[in-house]
Amino acid sequence: EAQVTQNPRYLITVTGKKLTVTCSQNMNHEYMSWYRQDPGLGLRQIYYSMNVEATDKGDVPEGYKVSRKEKRNFPLILESPSPNQTSLYFCASSLLQGLGTGELFFGEGSRLTVL
Amino acid sequence: GQNIDQPTEMTATEGAIVQINCTYQTSGFNGLFWYQQHAGEAPTFLSYNVLDGLEEKGRFSSFLSRSKGYSYLLLKELQMKDSASYLCAVLSGGSYIPTFGRGTSLIVHP
Repeated sequence: EAQVTQNPRYLITVTGKKLTVTCSQNMNHEYMSWYRQDPGLGLRQIYYSMNVEATDKGDVPEGYKVSRKEKRNFPLILESPSPNQTSLYFCASSLLQGLGTGELFFGEGSRLTVL
Repeated sequence: GQNIDQPTEMTATEGAIVQINCTYQTSGFNGLFWYQQHAGEAPTFLSYNVLDGLEEKGRFSSFLSRSKGYSYLLLKELQMKDSASYLCAVLSGGSYIPTFGRGTSLIVHP
């Protein structure tokens, strides 16, 4: 089954404790991206990757890191989480076609609470 | 940059028709997506328009006018399960990635 898998789905942590949210896709997609979603603000892009070893900042990259060492995996790293990073996080992937991405396939979301 | 506008919230009655509008201002245009997102769940793809006109897919249709920077999503024969947020996303020239509007929360009541 074609899917994007995120882990963990739910996490409560404390300020400053490093954490990683994993994302894996089995569709051989070149493009992968991380979003955060907050009430009233919609989906905001954190980082994206056009292919292996090619990552770029989105609209709200501060406080986050990513890596793309393999095509299927795109982990999101919070080195020192703060309460303003409490949010619902989505990973997404897509084929690149023509002048842009095709439809995005989203993971089920990771709800993160930083105390 | 891009500016994408959608109404924040709409309500409609079961069985009715509703039109959700999306206007955008962008330098270059390469396509417009609509996604549906139920509360607490992942967005799922509904439609993609790159040329002017209406694309019909079952109860859902999506329209695009590139000259007006305007799109709408038309939902017919509304069902309670259509209560969700509807996200408009624009793919613009100079960027390979879609930019999302803030979404329209649709509430369908009996």
